[in-house]
This record gives sequence, structure tokens and C-alpha cells, in this order.
Amino acid sequence: GQQLNQSPQSMFIQEGEDVSMNCTSSSIFNTWLWYKQEPGEGPVLLIALYKAGELTSNGRLTAQFGITRKDSFLNISASIPSDVGIYFCAGQDSNYQLIWGAGTKLIIKP
Amino acid sequence: ETGVTQTPRHLVMGMTNKKSLKCEQHLGHNAMYWYKQSAKKPLELMFVYNFKEQTENNSVPSRFSPECPNSSHLFLHLHTLQPEDSALYLCASSQEAKKNAYGYTFGSGTRLTVV
Repeated sequence: GQQLNQSPQSMFIQEGEDVSMNCTSSSIFNTWLWYKQEPGEGPVLLIALYKAGELTSNGRLTAQFGITRKDSFLNISASIPSDVGIYFCAGQDSNYQLIWGAGTKLIIKP
Repeated sequence: ETGVTQTPRHLVMGMTNKKSLKCEQHLGHNAMYWYKQSAKKPLELMFVYNFKEQTENNSVPSRFSPECPNSSHLFLHLHTLQPEDSALYLCASSQEAKKNAYGYTFGSGTRLTVV
């Protein structure tokens, strides 16, 4: 079946650093989504991307829909303590199937 | 209340017990979903209901039995579970299934431990 490879699996960073994570697949997707899950909560949508090459920002977050439609990345600039959590990518294919990455756990060192 | 509410938040059950998870959404959505979340793994879609009809069952063992009495409520009935079924069970809703993936709203989940 379809799979998304999300990397890195986890990140230990200092407050103020920039963060970058990505998802790749052998399959083409029509929509890329990025979610954040905080401890004890369900995932919350951060950014949705609908077109190849699209670059979208949400505050300090920026995500891009890869030109090949097989990948996407998420950048967080100037990280702050409340950025901790698990970030998930998800791709939706032409059959509206939503395929999820395994998540990137972000930990910020004080 | 607003959003998607799941109860209980935590559940510990023996392998011979029968329990139910409840999900309620106050968003006026027509599709509801059950997902299983295990550590360091992608979310696994279990069941999809669209306008109260089950439209997807992703080869889920029969010890998990969903019920959707109306568009606002979704249950997951559990019986004779195995320890490997321990996980976070997430409910989600959206306007309509098979569309608008950006429109998923998740509940906070039920942390299930099978002993």
C-alpha cells in the first residue's frame, strides 16, 4: 500500500532555532496536510496545500507542496517552547484516501 | 460544548471485559471516523461513517464493533481485546467523507490499556 516516509523521527533543538521536516512518497498526492499533536490531545490542522509548488505560511510555519507532488516539507522559524509536540504529514490521493506519516517529535531544550 | 468530545479519556480493561468508547461532535458534520494511534506509527484508519452509513472497514478485527446511531454520535464497542490493542483511539469528524481532507476535526482520544 501507499506509504509516507516522514523524517526526522525526532528532533532535539534549542529555543530560537529553525526546524525543518519533510515527507516523501513514491505516490502522487493531490493534497498535503500538516498537523500538530500536543500531549493528551488529538491532531490539529496547521497548514493545507492543494497545488504542486504551493508555498503557504501560517505565522512562523511555512509548508510547501513539492513540484513532483510526491513530497512536502514544513519549516518552523525561531522555535519557541510551545512548538513542542508531534508533527504529522498526511497526503490525500485521487481516491480521497488520506495517508499519514509516522510523525516528527519536536523537543526543545530550555 | 464545541468540537469533538471523546469519553472516557483513559480506560484500562481486562481481556475478558466489554467496554465502549464514545465520540460526540457538535460541528454539524456528516462523516465520523475511528483511528488507532500507536507510538511512532502512522495513524491507522479503522472505520468511516458517512451520513450514518458505514463506508469503510479497514480489515479491523471483529472484537472492535462500531456503532453510529446518528451523525453526531459514534461508538466503538470493545470485547475480548488483546494487549496489542492498547493504543490511543482517536475519533474525527468532517463535513463529508471522501472530501475535504483539510476539514478533519479530531477529538482528544481515549488512551486504552488492555491488561
